[in-house]
Amino acid sequence: GENVEQHPSTLSVQEGDSAVIKCTYSDSASNYFPWYKQELGKRPQLIIDIRSNVGEKKDQRIAVTLNKTAKHFSLHITETQPEDSAVYFCAATTNFGNEKLTFGTGTRLTIIP
Amino acid sequence: DAGVIQSPRHEVTEMGQEVTLRCKPISGHNSLFWYRQTMMRGLELLIYFNNNVPIDDSGMPEDRFSAKMPNASFSTLKIQPSEPRDSAVYFCASSIPGAAALHFGNGTRLTVT
Repeated sequence: GENVEQHPSTLSVQEGDSAVIKCTYSDSASNYFPWYKQELGKRPQLIIDIRSNVGEKKDQRIAVTLNKTAKHFSLHITETQPEDSAVYFCAATTNFGNEKLTFGTGTRLTIIP
Repeated sequence: DAGVIQSPRHEVTEMGQEVTLRCKPISGHNSLFWYRQTMMRGLELLIYFNNNVPIDDSGMPEDRFSAKMPNASFSTLKIQPSEPRDSAVYFCASSIPGAAALHFGNGTRLTVT
């Protein structure tokens, strides 16, 4: 089955700087890659996603890039703010529309004021 | 829309007792997922349903765990008998046909003593 690895497990950045979280996946048939944000004590929430026919997607301060050849995708957060502090999970699935996601182990991002 | 509704929010029980977790998906969502989250293992998919039918229960840890979806608006996850290692946050999530974005409930924090 699919295996998703996520790095780093913890990340601290100064407010205003950029943060990058990277994930690799094992199944070359994977075609959908969402990112979820989980604030302390709350539920995971989708923040951005990308499909395998797209190399990059951006939404305001967050962007996701996908390299299908290398089987890795990354989350980029620019101009970080204190409210960006959370745990971020990447995920992958081989069957977009039949939504068995395999999640990474999460990255705890801390924004230092 | 009230989102995915889970109950109870917190459950504390003694080892050996039966535990039942409940979930009401978002109306119109035909896929329902049960995830377990722990510090050690992250987010693990236990089982998921499409149109009330269990599709993949390979993540269910053992026979002590069972899940049902008697209709489109209700699902249960039962643990009998419960053990301390079952302590975790259990999330229910649902999604709409043809889309892979998961909508998570607020979770049930289970503590087995």
